[in-house]
Amino acid sequence: EIVLTQSPGTLSLSPGERATLSCRASQSIGTYLAWYQQKPGQAPRLLFYDASNRASAIPARFSGSGSGTDFTLTISSLEPEDFAFYYCQQRSNWPLTFGGGTKVEIK
Amino acid sequence: EVQLVESGGGLVQPGGSLRLSCTGSGFTFSNYWMHWVRQAPDQGLVWVSRIKSDGSIISYADSVKGRFTISRDNAKNTVFLQMNSLRADDTAVYFCARDVRLDSRNYWGGSAGFWGQGTRVTVSS
Repeated sequence: EIVLTQSPGTLSLSPGERATLSCRASQSIGTYLAWYQQKPGQAPRLLFYDASNRASAIPARFSGSGSGTDFTLTISSLEPEDFAFYYCQQRSNWPLTFGGGTKVEIK
Repeated sequence: EVQLVESGGGLVQPGGSLRLSCTGSGFTFSNYWMHWVRQAPDQGLVWVSRIKSDGSIISYADSVKGRFTISRDNAKNTVFLQMNSLRADDTAVYFCARDVRLDSRNYWGGSAGFWGQGTRVTVSS
């Protein structure tokens, strides 16, 4: 099973700051990585698939990059609605697996 | 507008069964892989099962293999998750999700582009 390790566990930032979230895979997964945002009590929302393909209606302040084992989700300037949990997920091998998540909280 | 509506959750005793349903609208259901993902209380996300657009390929997480069965009825735009021999650690919100991409040859799905609101399953005596 491919293990995804997300860091940091919690990111405390202020609105307008840049957020950089990391996801590391236990083996190479090419670019078969997705990012999701989840707010309490809501379903996850796809942000990016295959590392850098932006899902529909995702603002340009979000960007996804990486390949192999190291991936990054960047939010260039945090808006109030961006404070949430973020999960990475691989589709290279079954079982599909998620990372443990990063909480982006207001500082 | 793509919509997914789950139903069938509830409270069940250990060893019991439930059948979850998820009906899609706003897209051609028969063209997409469908998935079930669960989230235990205050925990992360776990992929439970997936089914190819025509039902010809099915996968299960080890934790549910032999107990859960995924199926679909493309004529009714619905995917099902039959859950038997339920255990306390199956307690979770179960989400159905539609793959982000149209199915095609050699595509194995695996990015959940649209999600339902979730249905809560509680296994307890």
